[in-house]
Amino acid sequence: GAVVSQHPSWVICKSGTSVKIECRSLDFQATTMFWYRQFPKQSLMLMATSNEGSKATYEQGVEKDKFLINHASLTLSTLTVTSAHPEDSSFYICSAILRGKETQYFGPGTRLLVL
Amino acid sequence: QKEVEQDPGPLSVPEGAIVSLNCTYSNSAFQYFMWYRQYSRKGPELLMYTYSSGNKEDGRFTAQVDKSSKYISLFIRDSQPSDSATYLCAMKRTNAGKSTFGDGTTLTVKP
Repeated sequence: GAVVSQHPSWVICKSGTSVKIECRSLDFQATTMFWYRQFPKQSLMLMATSNEGSKATYEQGVEKDKFLINHASLTLSTLTVTSAHPEDSSFYICSAILRGKETQYFGPGTRLLVL
Repeated sequence: QKEVEQDPGPLSVPEGAIVSLNCTYSNSAFQYFMWYRQYSRKGPELLMYTYSSGNKEDGRFTAQVDKSSKYISLFIRDSQPSDSATYLCAMKRTNAGKSTFGDGTTLTVKP
């Protein structure tokens, strides 16, 4: 069964509003969580890495004030897209490394459409 | 040059064919090698992972790692239309945190 969940699975919002996406590890503690975005027919683009209780590490070119990441607990990370614009429309996917494991497990993804 | 190279395809095969998917890499420190399957509009799903060199088999899937050549493969036997997806290779160093992903190979299995 799934080990990582995301909510919502899809969201439509107006330009200028903020959107929060939740990522949860189910039944396991996640030592590290990652946020990716993916445009249609393109590869995964890592946005940031977060560890519980510490600030996220953002990849080059990703605006940390635009994409706020909070890793509140060992099972929950959130991504907030602030003042969303149409160009932020994309597929956002979280993944987690679970305690005692080496591999990443992905959530089902969140499709964001900004009008 | 990318650390992990993967032919994007697309690859189209008839049902029942044996499929071979491959990746090459440049970082000799990689120790964990993974294959993910991603269906359209879904998150990647971990298919198999291998530590260091060798083969691993799971049903119709076989993963091979040749560290001396820095080359990994995923074989799919008796391919089915439900295998149609994008396959991503990934690899990492021990305790490194994030994995380095290939760009993915899109596979279509035709009935």
